Parts: sequence; C-alpha cells; structure tokens
Amino acid sequence: QLQLQESGPGLVKPSETLSLTCTVSGGSISSSTYHWGWIRQPPGKGLEWIGSLYYTGRTYYSPSLKSRATISGDTSKNQFSLKLSSVTAADTAVYYCARDRSGCPADYWGQGTLVTVSS
Amino acid sequence: QSALTQPASVSGSPGQSITISCTGTTSDVGGYNYVSWYQQHPGKVPKLMIYDVSNRPSGVSNRFSASKSGNTASLTISGLQAEDEADYYCSSFTSSSSIVFGTGTKVTVL
Repeated sequence: QLQLQESGPGLVKPSETLSLTCTVSGGSISSSTYHWGWIRQPPGKGLEWIGSLYYTGRTYYSPSLKSRATISGDTSKNQFSLKLSSVTAADTAVYYCARDRSGCPADYWGQGTLVTVSS
Repeated sequence: QSALTQPASVSGSPGQSITISCTGTTSDVGGYNYVSWYQQHPGKVPKLMIYDVSNRPSGVSNRFSASKSGNTASLTISGLQAEDEADYYCSSFTSSSSIVFGTGTKVTVL
C-alpha cells in the first residue's frame, strides 16, 4: 500500500525558506507512471496546487509560486522535497505531498503538515 | 491563472440527487479531459472521487458520477447520504502544464 509522509519544521520565520520532505513507501518515485507533487491549504481555505516532479526530473509549478518554489527528488532515499523561499504569513498552510497521475494532481495523499509562518 | 468557479454551497435532503458545477475556460476544463474531483471532510485529508472527467477510483461509491460539457464539469451525488456532507473540490490540467483547483463547494445534507 502506497504511503506518503511529510516532514519538516512546523514554524518558519518570515523571509526565510520553508523546507519539507515527503518520504514515499510502497512505491518508487522513479516510476515512469506517476509524478510527485505538493498541494497546500491555508486554514479555512481551499486547495492550491504548488507543483509536480516528473520521473524525468522535470518540474512544473503553479505560475503564482514558480518564482519561489523548488521541488526536487532523491531516488536513493525515495523522497522528494519542497523548498519555498521568501515566505510570508500568506504561506501559512497545511502542506500535502501527493502522487500525481498525469492530469490528476493527487490520487494518494500524505497526512499533511501544518507550517506556520511567524516571527 | 484563476481558480475554477464552483458554487459556494449546495444542499439536499437524504435520498435526493445534487449536482456541483465547476466552470473554467478553454485553457483548462474545456481543453483537456483531465478533471478530477475531491471530497474533504472537516479536518481530514482530501479524497479522490473522480479522475479523468468521469472515472471512479476503486472503492468510491457509484453514487458519485461526473461529466463535462464545454468549459464546465459537473459532479453528481445521487441518493444523498449524511456521510456525503463535506467540501468538494474540482481540479483541471491547464495549458501551462499546471493544475488549477476549484474554489470549493460545501455540501450540506438537510
């Protein structure tokens, strides 16, 4: 059974870089069938797609976050990561990692991790 | 890019059918057969209900069905049950090879 688990700091200071890692078990991020992505949800608000990592290493990002977001993968650890730079309070959200199946941003989800941006 | 437009709320009585719309443009919903629908109960992780416009993942009740016409996709819940009360989100692939979510719809079972 595929499982995804987010990890990383729950509190980040304004202007700093948010860093999260997703550990995948029960499947391989090297699979050519699926991609791996990040989605976030501010408290009380809707879902926002951040971006995806394809097995080729190519990445795709939301136009609104493209300048600040970086997604990368570590096949040796079967993990992929998100870095979001220059964060502000507006980046406070539950961050989910997910398996992306071409056009469907998430058929499997991690449990989500709340990241708060505050000094 | 703008979020896809969904009604803020839809309600129905147990046993009834309701439909949630998801309106985009020719650059997203209208241009690709990559519309998905998610159900999210309060405090829970979203759950995939429909992918590729009308396909149900294994384990999802056949009371959930979906379709698309032009720039608008629709999710229909038939035989409404109390457990269907949740937030629902659509998503679509876009012409910039990104994904856009809908604004979300709160379904209330009266």
